[in-house]
Amino acid sequence: AQSVTQLGSHVSVSEGALVLLRCNYSSSVPPYLFWYVQYPNQGLQLLLKYTTGATLVKGINGFEAEFKKSETSFHLTKPSAHMSDAAEYFCAVGGAGANNLFFGTGTRLTVIP
Amino acid sequence: DVKVTQSSRYLVKRTGEKVFLECVQDMDHENMFWYRQDPGLGLRLIYFSYDVKMKEKGDIPEGYSVSREKKERFSLILESASTNQTSMYLCASSSRPEREKLFFGSGTQLSVL
Repeated sequence: AQSVTQLGSHVSVSEGALVLLRCNYSSSVPPYLFWYVQYPNQGLQLLLKYTTGATLVKGINGFEAEFKKSETSFHLTKPSAHMSDAAEYFCAVGGAGANNLFFGTGTRLTVIP
Repeated sequence: DVKVTQSSRYLVKRTGEKVFLECVQDMDHENMFWYRQDPGLGLRLIYFSYDVKMKEKGDIPEGYSVSREKKERFSLILESASTNQTSMYLCASSSRPEREKLFFGSGTQLSVL
């Protein structure tokens, strides 16, 4: 069985501040982990993914995430928030050979000018 | 630019009506998915298809059916719409080699009155 938990349904940061969005996963098989972003009135788009190899993965728009097996975590970070980062972020888990992903409940990021 | 197109952005239907939600992708993807998105619940998989005329139940298939007669088109059918099916419906597709990299449409907000 696979699932993800996103801690905090809403996160607010000031422009220029660090962004940290938390995701913990549960998986009975080696996980593939993903972050998707949804801008207003749009579908989701892939930010970054971890499958195998390097545990620190870089994505689009300056975001990165680190896979920590010992903590079953895959937190999303960005050093300096920009107004355009305001969106809803979804963590998801899958696995090799899996037909689908399991999504978290989402975290809405607000950036304060 | 790759595209997943959902036929309607907003749809209002009455209880008991038969509802068709259409999704078309232009990327020659083998896999197609229907999710519903509800506040606080994230995305939940309704059905998916990994080939023409093939379909698999997701986590919440009750009250829904699907049709995939052509590779590029995946239809979601609500046989008899009910108020608890009021939701945002998202279609997605992915290729066989990268099945976990989903491309999403912009969604259909369905209201059942």
